[in-house]
Amino acid sequence: GENVEQHPSTLSVQEGDSAVIKCTYSDSASNYFPWYKQELGKRPQLIIDIRSNVGEKKDQRIAVTLNKTAKHFSLHITETQPEDSAVYFCAARANAGGTSYGKLTFGQGTILTVHP
Amino acid sequence: NAGVMQNPRHLVRRRGQEARLRCSPMKGHSHVYWYRQLPEEGLKFMVYLQKENIIDESGMPKERFSAEFPKEGPSILRIQQVVRGDSAAYFCASSPLPPPDTQYFGPGTRLTVL
Repeated sequence: GENVEQHPSTLSVQEGDSAVIKCTYSDSASNYFPWYKQELGKRPQLIIDIRSNVGEKKDQRIAVTLNKTAKHFSLHITETQPEDSAVYFCAARANAGGTSYGKLTFGQGTILTVHP
Repeated sequence: NAGVMQNPRHLVRRRGQEARLRCSPMKGHSHVYWYRQLPEEGLKFMVYLQKENIIDESGMPKERFSAEFPKEGPSILRIQQVVRGDSAAYFCASSPLPPPDTQYFGPGTRLTVL
């Protein structure tokens, strides 16, 4: 099955700096890669996603890049703010078809702390 | 448009009791997924259901755990004879039919087994 590795496990930055979180996946057939932000005690919230026919996607201060050849994708947050502090999870979706359709495999999470 | 609803938000059970967790997907969504999150860990897939059908239960323990999504009413995750290791946050997510694949998560049920 799919395996997703996420690094780093913790990341501490100063307000205004950039933050980068990286994930690798094992199933070359995966074609959908969302990123979720989870604040303490809250639900995971989708912040951005990318599909395998796109190499990069940007939404204001957040961007995601995908390298299908190397099987890795990254989250980039620019001009970080204290409210960006949370746990960030990457995920990969197994290939459509069969019984694997719809299942998300998550990375282990990155605790991001933005210091004022 | 109400989001994914889960109840109860907190559930305390003693060892050996049953836990019943409910999930109402977003309006118009007929795909439901259950995930478990142990303390300070990521989310682990448990089961994927459509109305009246279990599509993928590969992540669900074979014993004591069951899930359903009836034609009417919420999806139910049932844990029989709970043990302390079942203590976790249980999240459900839903997505529309037909996909896009975006899954929207509910607020979770935090199960504590004493």
